[in-house]
Amino acid sequence: DAGITQSPRHKVTETGTPVTLRCHQTENHRYMYWYRQDPGHGLRLIHYSYGVKDTDKGEVSDGYSVSRSKTEDFLLTLESATSSQTSVYFCAISPSTGVGETQYFGPGTRLLVL
Amino acid sequence: RKEVEQDPGPFNVPEGATVAFNCTYSNSASQSFFWYRQDCRKEPKLLMSVYSSGNEDGRFTAQLNRASQYISLLIRDSKLSDSATYLCVVNGGGFKTIFGAGTRLFVKA
Repeated sequence: DAGITQSPRHKVTETGTPVTLRCHQTENHRYMYWYRQDPGHGLRLIHYSYGVKDTDKGEVSDGYSVSRSKTEDFLLTLESATSSQTSVYFCAISPSTGVGETQYFGPGTRLLVL
Repeated sequence: RKEVEQDPGPFNVPEGATVAFNCTYSNSASQSFFWYRQDCRKEPKLLMSVYSSGNEDGRFTAQLNRASQYISLLIRDSKLSDSATYLCVVNGGGFKTIFGAGTRLFVKA
């Protein structure tokens, strides 16, 4: 299994509070991604990173920000959590974005916003 | 229309059965195709890539039909341990990876 950890694994928070989720990898992969997974939807890309300090928005980026100060760490921040952000969040990594390249996922963080 | 569509199921099959899933995609320029497996409350894991010529890995066979824009997964001799959700994944190049919502499979003893 790829060396990817996420913390916390579970979190309950209240509407309006900031929340930061952490993804840590030991594979030295260049590319990192944050997805959310909700019933009836496929995984949806929130933000991604293509290098230290290089990030960009995905499909569902509103209300989220990210930072990557080191190759191994990619942080996702919910600036002011809302109930619609209750979801399972997965971090993923890949060595490249070439044809046929796959992504490897962390164990996920279950977030409940009350 | 969703970019990647799958029948959500569930498919309920007995052990030993053969089961097939299809997935359609809308972007004709898509370049890479995969099947991932996701167990309940776990992360998705790569099951197999799907090549133009089709490919087989043990009991699993994946096919790609570019003309009709669908990919398929065939599972032969189903095991209880095959019970999971199977995600169809299509990459249109670069960061544009689209995940289907998944097809649930239950294999019964």
